[in-house]
Amino acid sequence: AQTVTQSQPEMSVQEAETVTLSCTYDTSESDYYLFWYKQPPSRQMILVIRQEAYKQQNATENRFSVNFQKAAKSFSLKISDSQLGDAAMYFCASRSNYQLIWGAGTKLIIKP
Amino acid sequence: DTGVSQDPRHKITKRGQNVTFRCDPISEHNRLYWYRQTLGQGPEFLTYFQNEAQLEKSRLLSDRFSAERPKGSFSTLEIQRTEQGDSAMYLCASSLAQGGFTEAFFGQGTRLTVV
Repeated sequence: AQTVTQSQPEMSVQEAETVTLSCTYDTSESDYYLFWYKQPPSRQMILVIRQEAYKQQNATENRFSVNFQKAAKSFSLKISDSQLGDAAMYFCASRSNYQLIWGAGTKLIIKP
Repeated sequence: DTGVSQDPRHKITKRGQNVTFRCDPISEHNRLYWYRQTLGQGPEFLTYFQNEAQLEKSRLLSDRFSAERPKGSFSTLEIQRTEQGDSAMYLCASSLAQGGFTEAFFGQGTRLTVV
């Protein structure tokens, strides 16, 4: 069975600084997708960034980038120039067939 | 279309009562998913539809849970004889099946409290 582990229940960062959220996963599949989702308080889950496992190049979306280490089964999210609006729960997820397998989440606090 | 819509947003029910939630996906999306999220945890997959066909069900989905998607449009999730352990956020998501990656868009969820 696929598993996703987020070992940081909570992280805090000063506004405008950079923060990295960690995620490890386990899968027996050779072709899979990895995702980071953001869930602001009382708001819906929003896709932040995705990575196809067959791509060696790390995905980047504006201030968000990932460090995908396939052999180590590691998939961390780096947020640069943190903004107050980045405060949320961040979930790492992998896709198995049609369902998403989720980590427990990391609460990101932005200090003004 | 403003996205995936779920109704109600909040539901408080007494143990033993039946509840039904509705999800309206993005109109052209043919795939629809239900997830359950308990406090402090990531979502857990419950079930998945492609058009009106329910293609996959989690073992988490006990006999008290049933989901439908008549005509491949909106979906309902019913929980019979609710228990306190059913208290959770129930999330619905939809996506458009096409070659390659398809992003799933989530609704705001229905928060169920069983007292």
